Amino acid sequence: KAGVTQTPRYLIKTRGQQVTLSCSPISGHRSVSWYQQTPGQGLQFLFEYFSETQRNKGNFPGRFSGRQFSNSRSEMNVSTLELGDSALYLCASRDGRATNEKLFFGSGTQLSVL
Amino acid sequence: QKEVEQNSGPLSVPEGAIASLNCTYSDRGSQSFFWYRQYSGKSPELIMSIYSNGDKEDGRFTAQLNKASQYVSLLIRDSQPSDSATYLCAAPHSSASKIIFGSGTRLSIRP
Repeated sequence: KAGVTQTPRYLIKTRGQQVTLSCSPISGHRSVSWYQQTPGQGLQFLFEYFSETQRNKGNFPGRFSGRQFSNSRSEMNVSTLELGDSALYLCASRDGRATNEKLFFGSGTQLSVL
Repeated sequence: QKEVEQNSGPLSVPEGAIASLNCTYSDRGSQSFFWYRQYSGKSPELIMSIYSNGDKEDGRFTAQLNKASQYVSLLIRDSQPSDSATYLCAAPHSSASKIIFGSGTRLSIRP
């Protein structure tokens, strides 16, 4: 099976712009979670989508949003970018029917906001 | 208080010694716990999971869980330079399916 695919791998944006990141989960996986990783902060949970519905949301401002399509592919959008949004954004997929399932991570999108 | 806490390190251990990584969690309802390893510039990968009190061994790795103390640990025996990485502790939130990660412990194995 192909792994979790994230595009693009790198992004450079300026403050105030918006950005859309894409994630294709492992075939058959219906849950897609998004995490923000910054030095010293570990992985901060953004949100999880399961069967096209947002199932959980972390403590991030409304500028961060996402969606999931019928083929389980997911996108996340960040509007009005701030310097502090510079981070590695990781997507992870799993089957989604139980909480003790292994997460499979993509390679991430490194976002730099100038 | 963070839901999952780890010492950030760095933890420096000589090659061949035992590396001990610790994690505490605040949600008493959490039932399962995970250890992920993340090499620099790479994405996290699962190395151990544990659901019951006690020890679980897998090769050179042993995970330990004490639910009464809300404490999880990972022991790496016969540490190798290839074990140098950041180790992330994770637990599902008891009232939601989201999986919460600690900030990670950076482990360095010195030859």
